[in-house]
This record gives sequence, structure tokens and C-alpha cells, in this order.
Amino acid sequence: TQLLEQSPQFLSIQEGENLTVYCNSSSVFSSLQWYRQEPGEGPVLLVTVVTGGEVKKLKRLTFQFGDARKDSSLHITAAQPGDTGLYLCAPTDNYGQNFVFGPGTRLSVLP
Amino acid sequence: ETGVTQTPRHLVMGMTNKKSLKCEQHLGHNAMYWYKQSAKKPLELMFVYNFKEQTENNSVPSRFSPECPNSSHLFLHLHTLQPEDSALYLCASSQTPTAGGRVTNEKLFFGSGTQLSVL
Repeated sequence: TQLLEQSPQFLSIQEGENLTVYCNSSSVFSSLQWYRQEPGEGPVLLVTVVTGGEVKKLKRLTFQFGDARKDSSLHITAAQPGDTGLYLCAPTDNYGQNFVFGPGTRLSVLP
Repeated sequence: ETGVTQTPRHLVMGMTNKKSLKCEQHLGHNAMYWYKQSAKKPLELMFVYNFKEQTENNSVPSRFSPECPNSSHLFLHLHTLQPEDSALYLCASSQTPTAGGRVTNEKLFFGSGTQLSVL
């Protein structure tokens, strides 16, 4: 059984601070996706990382896929209140469409 | 606007009621999904439909009955639910390259969900 963990579970910071959240698994994945879910809405895809060691940037967000493709991190620089939401990681493998999501990190950025 | 519309946004029902959730996607996708999101558990996959055919039933109780009349519409029929079924029910769609295709890097497009309360 695939074990997928995200940490921290909750994070509350002030506007302008930097933060990193993590997604860890006991399994190797061919790729991994990060989604953000704002209150009252469904998750929205932010990025897909495919190659071990890959780093992708999306404005103030930096995503990294671990060398062994078993973990990933999301770093936010100078967080803003608009970054508030639930950050979900969703690994995918080569054998199906069954998207399994991590438990998420709930981020609150205070003005 | 994600191109996936769910109705109703909120639903309160008694344990003996029968209700249906509706999902419609305007993206031309050929796969649709039902997920359950409750406060105490991660997002849980319930059902997957590829080209209108159910390809996954993730051990969901029979009081939840999905229906996919075409690739653009998905329903979740509810009957004799329990209070622990109260949750946010999310619909999603994606594009697969071939019928039953197994692909990587699929992108899920979610609706805003139906917040269900069972009394």
C-alpha cells in the first residue's frame, strides 16, 4: 500500500515570509502533481514534475522533485494572503488514472 | 471557471431521502471522476468513468450510485445515506489519449463541489 505524507499539516505565517511544504512517499513515482485548493472551490493544478531532481518555478513558487522520485517540496517566497489554501500533492504512476492525493498542507497567510 | 460545473453547491438531506448530484464538463474530456473530501480524511477517489464506462469503483457503498450517460455528464445518486457521508463531493474530468489508456501526467480539472450534509 502506498503511504503518502504531507508536512506540515497546518501552517500559519505572516505576509512576506518564506515557507516550504513537503510531500513524501514510500513509493517511486513517474511524476508528481501539486494542486492548490482555495476555500469553497475544487483543487487547481499548479505544476507537474516528472524528472528526478527537477526544479520548476511558477512566479514565487518553486517545486522540486526528489532525485529518487519519492518526495517533493514546494517553496513559496514572500508569501501573500492570496497563497492561502490547501496544498495537495498527487503522485501518478504508469499504470492507471487513479489519482491518489496526499492529506494536504493547509496554509494560512495573514496580512 | 474550470469548465466543470457541479450542482447543487449545497445540499442538506435526511437519511431517508433520495437526491442526485450533477456534474457537467465543457472541456471535451473523455474521463470523469467522483471524489469525496471530508474534514478527517484526504481526498478519496470514488468512481472513474472512461468514455462513459465505469473503470473504477473504489469500494464505495451501494448507497452511492453513479451514472454517466455521456462523456460530458456525470451523476451521483444518493439514497439512505448516513451522517458520516456528510462531506464535499467533487467532480473532475481529464483527457485520456485512448480508450482505457494508461497515461502519465494527466491533468484533473475539478468542479467547485457539492457540500453535502446528512441529518
